[in-house]
Amino acid sequence: QSVLTQPPSASGTPGQRVTISCSGSSSNIGSNTVNWYQQLPGTAPKLLIYSNNQRPSGVPDRFSGSKSGTSASLAISGLQSEDEADYYCAAWDDSLNDNWVFGGGTKLTVL
Amino acid sequence: EVQLVESGGGLVQPGRSLRLSCAASGFTFDDYAMHWVRQAPGKGLEWVSGISWNSGSIGYADSVKGRFTISRDNAKNSLYLQMNSLRAEDTALYYCANSLFPYYDIFSAFDIWGQGTMVTVSS
Repeated sequence: QSVLTQPPSASGTPGQRVTISCSGSSSNIGSNTVNWYQQLPGTAPKLLIYSNNQRPSGVPDRFSGSKSGTSASLAISGLQSEDEADYYCAAWDDSLNDNWVFGGGTKLTVL
Repeated sequence: EVQLVESGGGLVQPGRSLRLSCAASGFTFDDYAMHWVRQAPGKGLEWVSGISWNSGSIGYADSVKGRFTISRDNAKNSLYLQMNSLRAEDTALYYCANSLFPYYDIFSAFDIWGQGTMVTVSS
């Protein structure tokens, strides 16, 4: 059971806008920034969003992130077939054992 | 080009040890924190351990604390993970990753990831 909660699946058709939620607590999302990773099938994860809403160089502006309180969201607009992947949120957790925590991942299907 | 190449994985019996290595190139290794993240077959990502650029700050997941030891050799641009008392639940693909920002302790996002090395713990 993951510390951060994500829906296990999401879907959309090409061109649509989809959002993926990530719910945490005051010790992680509530007090630290959120990062998002994209893992295409059979490949290593890739940093997609950092510090809640910042895109690394090379990431299309179709991807955006936001955070409010103890929850965060990843939005993908203009959905494309190559966006079909697993998406993970992550945050530093300040609880008893300082550590990084991940969401369980959301499998995005492009219909 | 930034590159991280993991090695050292394999099949090992429960209770035995294994040492993973991660060779880094294409960036100033000793300026960046480094991490190990694992992924069990068909499962999600789990942070294992992280070490700051100067080894002054080290962290472990509860699941490996006391059994795994992270270290780095900045002269060799290499990261290591010594895994002792291995259990079946340690079976996973182990990735190394560098931090996004230099001199940022272990709190910075994971930027570049290697392709991983598979560890299978089974009798």
